[in-house]
Amino acid sequence: GQQVMQIPQYQHVQEGEDFTTYCNSSTTLSNIQWYKQRPGGHPVFLIQLVKSGEVKKQKRLTFQFGEAKKNSSLHITATQTTDVGTYFCAGRRGNTPLVFGKGTRLSVIA
Amino acid sequence: KAGVTQTPRYLIKTRGQQVTLSCSPISGHRSVSWYQQTPGQGLQFLFEYFSETQRNKGNFPGRFSGRQFSNSRSEMNVSTLELGDSALYLCASSTGDRQETQYFGPGTRLLVL
Repeated sequence: GQQVMQIPQYQHVQEGEDFTTYCNSSTTLSNIQWYKQRPGGHPVFLIQLVKSGEVKKQKRLTFQFGEAKKNSSLHITATQTTDVGTYFCAGRRGNTPLVFGKGTRLSVIA
Repeated sequence: KAGVTQTPRYLIKTRGQQVTLSCSPISGHRSVSWYQQTPGQGLQFLFEYFSETQRNKGNFPGRFSGRQFSNSRSEMNVSTLELGDSALYLCASSTGDRQETQYFGPGTRLLVL
């Protein structure tokens, strides 16, 4: 079945450093979504990418969808302590359910 | 609009018991999906309901079942609980468009002793 791999599993950064998490699917995706889960919280939707090669920005966050629609990345510039949490990618192929990666847990040291 | 609500928030059960969890979606949303979240396996899809019909099912044993009511509220049931069923059970709602985003509830944390 469809698999979504996400790396790294953990990332510790100093406040102000950049952070990137990568997502790779075993199959071509219709779209990819990114979610953030704060410690003790629930996943919250960040963004959806649909088009091949699409790049979207939200303030310090930059999301990319690969040309082949099989990989994606989330880059955070100049991390802040408010960025702490686990970032999940989730891919969908056609009408199949969303498949989530296992997430990247980000720790930010002030 | 009120968000997705789940009850109960915390639950402790013993092996062999059964449990029912409830989810009320955002008003107007017709699709409800259930996920199991554990530290080792991440978020795993259980099933999705749309207009009272199961639209998709994940790779879980038959002990896990669910249903959706005419008001879009959903319940999931786990029978004959095992220690490995301890997890955070998350419900997510959406309008029903398969390409849409999902809005998660706070989850029910189940501990099986």
